Amino acid sequence: GAVVSQHPSRVICKSGTSVKIECRSLDFQATTMFWYRQFPKQSLMLMATSNEGSKATYEQGVEKDKFLINHASLTLSTLTVTSAHPEDSSFYICSASLAGVYEQYFGPGTRLTVT
Amino acid sequence: GDSVTQMEGPVTLSEEAFLTINCTYTATGYPSLFWYVQYPGEGLQLLLKATKADDKGSNKGFEATYRKETTSFHLEKGSVQVSDSAVYFCALSDLSYIPTFGRGTSLIVHP
Repeated sequence: GAVVSQHPSRVICKSGTSVKIECRSLDFQATTMFWYRQFPKQSLMLMATSNEGSKATYEQGVEKDKFLINHASLTLSTLTVTSAHPEDSSFYICSASLAGVYEQYFGPGTRLTVT
Repeated sequence: GDSVTQMEGPVTLSEEAFLTINCTYTATGYPSLFWYVQYPGEGLQLLLKATKADDKGSNKGFEATYRKETTSFHLEKGSVQVSDSAVYFCALSDLSYIPTFGRGTSLIVHP
């Protein structure tokens, strides 16, 4: 149980275009979803926290107009990287949690490469 | 604010060696503590957890004990295998449910 999927697993896009990444909880309803960016040498950066039906809460330094997060249902959250630039190339990971549960269930990640 | 400090890696061991990865934390109150593992090219998986002081989390031969007096949650395994090679993240969650992660420790196990 508690499976989270991400799509696509890899995406290459040209500079200036937008790309959407989907995060789905397959067998549970996720009250909260989190989006992370993972930099080289492993460190995870929390980008934003989203609750179903409400606006995402972005961490300091994350541009909300560039990284659009939508959490339209209890099983789906999307991250759209708008006007992507090569410096946005990274590994993006989502996670989901249940109400009242502290642990998170992670998706497999999406490797974004902007050329 | 909350913080998690892990030992820097990489940790390089021979198969069947004993593993310790240190983790200490700073938090107000009584957070839940976690170890997550990330295999190459994948997302993170929950390895083990502990929700209160003196709890021991265990899974797949790995163990960690919630030590409130030393604010630590060190990960141990008695005999590592090549398949344990991965990145290990220590993390905590407090009442806000927003997680705080350490920087991760890479483990490399040689045959």
